[in-house]
Amino acid sequence: GESVGLHLPTLSVQEGDNSIINCAYSNSASDYFIWYKQESGKGPQFIIDIRSNMDKRQGQRVTVLLNKTVKHLSLQIAATQPGDSAVYFCAENAGGTSYGKLTFGQGTILTVHP
Amino acid sequence: ETGVTQTPRHLVMGMTNKKSLKCEQHLGHNAMYWYKQSAKKPLELMFVYSLEERVENNSVPSRFSPECPNSSHLFLHLHTLQPEDSALYLCASSQAQGAGEKLFFGSGTQLSVL
Repeated sequence: GESVGLHLPTLSVQEGDNSIINCAYSNSASDYFIWYKQESGKGPQFIIDIRSNMDKRQGQRVTVLLNKTVKHLSLQIAATQPGDSAVYFCAENAGGTSYGKLTFGQGTILTVHP
Repeated sequence: ETGVTQTPRHLVMGMTNKKSLKCEQHLGHNAMYWYKQSAKKPLELMFVYSLEERVENNSVPSRFSPECPNSSHLFLHLHTLQPEDSALYLCASSQAQGAGEKLFFGSGTQLSVL
């Protein structure tokens, strides 16, 4: 079946480094993608989103890249800080009137060392 | 503060108990959701309400009963649960646009069924 998956379950970086979290998706009909951050004891928090008519979108210290050819999504975090340590989820929306029927990946644990 | 408030934050219940989870959104959204988050599994969509009407029931057992009295409030009534129902239950809201929209999550209720 269609699914969203992550290449790396854990990522450990030093403070100040750039982080790249990857996500593969298999539903070619997906037209909307979103990244969430979840800290311990909290619900998922929106980071950035991108629609399928774009291949790059930038936010504050974050960039999402979408490669529809290989069905790959990545989240880049610049100058990673200890406060960025969390679980990061990608999610896809298969399009149409979906009422937020996002399909979530399993998550990548990002650990930032001071 | 994400604008979506869930109570209680933690709940321990026996298999014969009846309890309810409450969610309130202060964002003026028109759609609300219940998700289940189990350890080492992706977030699973349970129910979707749009304009107070249930538009999605994702094959959830009848021991989970949702209620949406208005666009700001959502409940999940629980009865005769099983130990495997122990999980983090997340409420979310969105302004449904039918073209993929971001969800705003509460902090969740950590449920333990004994």
